[in-house]
Amino acid sequence: NAGVMQNPRHLVRRRGQEARLRCSPMKGHSHVYWYRQLPEEGLKFMVYLQKENIIDESGMPKERFSAEFPKEGPSILRIQQVVRGDSAAYFCASSPRTAYQMNTEAFFGQGTRLTVV
Amino acid sequence: AQKVTQAQTEISVVEKEDVTLDCVYETRDTTYYLFWYKQPPSGELVFLIRRNSFDEQNEISGRYSWNFQKSTSSFNFTITASQVVDSAVYFCALSTDYKLSFGAGTTVTVRA
Repeated sequence: NAGVMQNPRHLVRRRGQEARLRCSPMKGHSHVYWYRQLPEEGLKFMVYLQKENIIDESGMPKERFSAEFPKEGPSILRIQQVVRGDSAAYFCASSPRTAYQMNTEAFFGQGTRLTVV
Repeated sequence: AQKVTQAQTEISVVEKEDVTLDCVYETRDTTYYLFWYKQPPSGELVFLIRRNSFDEQNEISGRYSWNFQKSTSSFNFTITASQVVDSAVYFCALSTDYKLSFGAGTTVTVRA
């Protein structure tokens, strides 16, 4: 039973390019969460998605960032026109149902390390 | 609003020493969950423990133990007889819903 799969593990983009980060949740999980870890900091919540729905995007920067979780396929975190400050590790987590009250654990992927040069 | 404070930025110990990581949290909710995660140099997040706010029993798992005290809003983590493989960043986290609020992490370095 594969865990949460994120790809690529490492991504290098030049300033102004687009970055696409993919997350395939664990089998049977329909809830996906994205977190960002800036250098030397803890993880910060970005967005919570269910299939075809954005439930909470309160942690997403207002511009250039978007996320989707289509009916088929992985969840995608998209960053347009990347800047050096977007360099970070981006983690995806999934759960089988809403992790409300966290009576179910959210399982994290291995992260994608984005470097903007 | 939730907040997690890990006051220790870095801890360095010699192998076989014990090391205690402090975690203090703030929340107005009466129902919440506390977590510890380990992030080794390879970068992934390894889940260590989840504890709900109604269970103040301390827990021991091998060389790891956790001390939860609601009276001081603390959830401290002790590694007994540390080993080089314990070298990592350790994060404490709090959740009252589907979001985790992480502390800034404590970097533990265990020297041989």
